[in-house]
Amino acid sequence: DQQVKQNSPSLSVQEGRISILNCDYTNSMFDYFLWYKKYPAEGPTFLISISSIKDKNEDGRFTVFLNKSAKHLSLHIVPSQPGDSAVYFCATHSGNTPLVFGKGTRLSVIA
Amino acid sequence: DVKVTQSSRYLVKRTGEKVFLECVQDMDHENMFWYRQDPGLGLRLIYFSYDVKMKEKGDIPEGYSVSREKKERFSLILESASTNQTSMYLCASSFIGNLNTEAFFGQGTRLTVV
Repeated sequence: DQQVKQNSPSLSVQEGRISILNCDYTNSMFDYFLWYKKYPAEGPTFLISISSIKDKNEDGRFTVFLNKSAKHLSLHIVPSQPGDSAVYFCATHSGNTPLVFGKGTRLSVIA
Repeated sequence: DVKVTQSSRYLVKRTGEKVFLECVQDMDHENMFWYRQDPGLGLRLIYFSYDVKMKEKGDIPEGYSVSREKKERFSLILESASTNQTSMYLCASSFIGNLNTEAFFGQGTRLTVV
């Protein structure tokens, strides 16, 4: 059973517009949520995170929203840039457990 | 800067060979992890370790073993490589405890088993 679901395998967005990537999770014990970005032939790099005590966290063009009642989080990128084209993974854990990852969403930002 | 270094970027091995993937981190992290990434399947946890000499199975440990003799080094061993182990292998490390903390990844090893 998938504990973390990213239901959109891919997303295309025009440069300058907003990109919204979505993630759903099943376990209400998860208390820390992260987004990673991955380019081909490289390891994932940490992008932004949010604790379960918050519902929003912003870092420059990147904002993560958490809706605990719906067990849903989203990553907003505004404005989107061609360099944002990558695979984005949602991940989560609780306490000192390993990160559990979604299957990823491939974002293409078109110039 | 945290650095997690994997010994090889690309490897080609023959079916039945014993394969060693090495990972070293320089941030004194207690936790270390091995994941594999396959198209459409995301990152799946193979093994992890919370301390030297300790190891725990992840979601897909079959066909793999690990070794952690020193805190900074975590090795993944494919006892007898098979073609279904062709994949991108990713090592990661993080601090221990209940702190909210991210894991840092190495650059990955693309392994092809022929």
